Amino acid sequence: GENVEQHPSTLSVQEGDSAVIKCTYSDSASNYFPWYKQELGKGPQLIIDIRSNVGEKKDQRIAVTLNKTAKHFSLHITETQPEDSAVYFCAASRAGGTSYGKLTFGQGTILTVHP
Amino acid sequence: EAGVAQSPRYKIIEKRQSVAFWCNPISGHATLYWYQQILGQGPKLLIQFQNNGVVDDSQLPKDRFSAERLKGVDSTLKIQPAKLEDSAVYLCASSPGLKGVGYGYTFGSGTRLTVV
Repeated sequence: GENVEQHPSTLSVQEGDSAVIKCTYSDSASNYFPWYKQELGKGPQLIIDIRSNVGEKKDQRIAVTLNKTAKHFSLHITETQPEDSAVYFCAASRAGGTSYGKLTFGQGTILTVHP
Repeated sequence: EAGVAQSPRYKIIEKRQSVAFWCNPISGHATLYWYQQILGQGPKLLIQFQNNGVVDDSQLPKDRFSAERLKGVDSTLKIQPAKLEDSAVYLCASSPGLKGVGYGYTFGSGTRLTVV
């Protein structure tokens, strides 16, 4: 089955700096890669996603890049703010068969933004 | 639109006891998922329903875990008997259909289970 590795496990930055989180996946059939933000006591919330037919996607301060050949994708947050502090998860999914809709998550990155 | 509702928010039980969690998905969402999130890890899928049928339960420990989705709406997840390693947050998610990935896939806030 799919395996997703996420690095780093913790990331500490100063307000205004950029933060980058990287993930690799094992299943070349995976074609959908979402990123989730999870705050304490809450469920994961989708912040951005990318599909395998796209190499990069941006939404204001957040961007995601995908390298299908190398099977890795990254989350980039620019101009970080204290409210960006949370746990971030990458995930991968593929269409077809019974796995359609199943998300395989990375281990998570604890992002701390210091004022 | 109302989100995915889960209850209870917290539960503490002794090992070998039984426990049940409840999930009410977003209205009209055909697909429902239960994930287990152990502290410090990413969520792991336990079971996936399409309407009231099971699509994937390959990672559900069927000797102790069971789940049902009567009438294709609400769902319950049960653990009997519980073990210490079942301590985790149990997340419910729903999406509009089998094409749900990326289309309105929404998580609830979860039930935090502590087994002592």
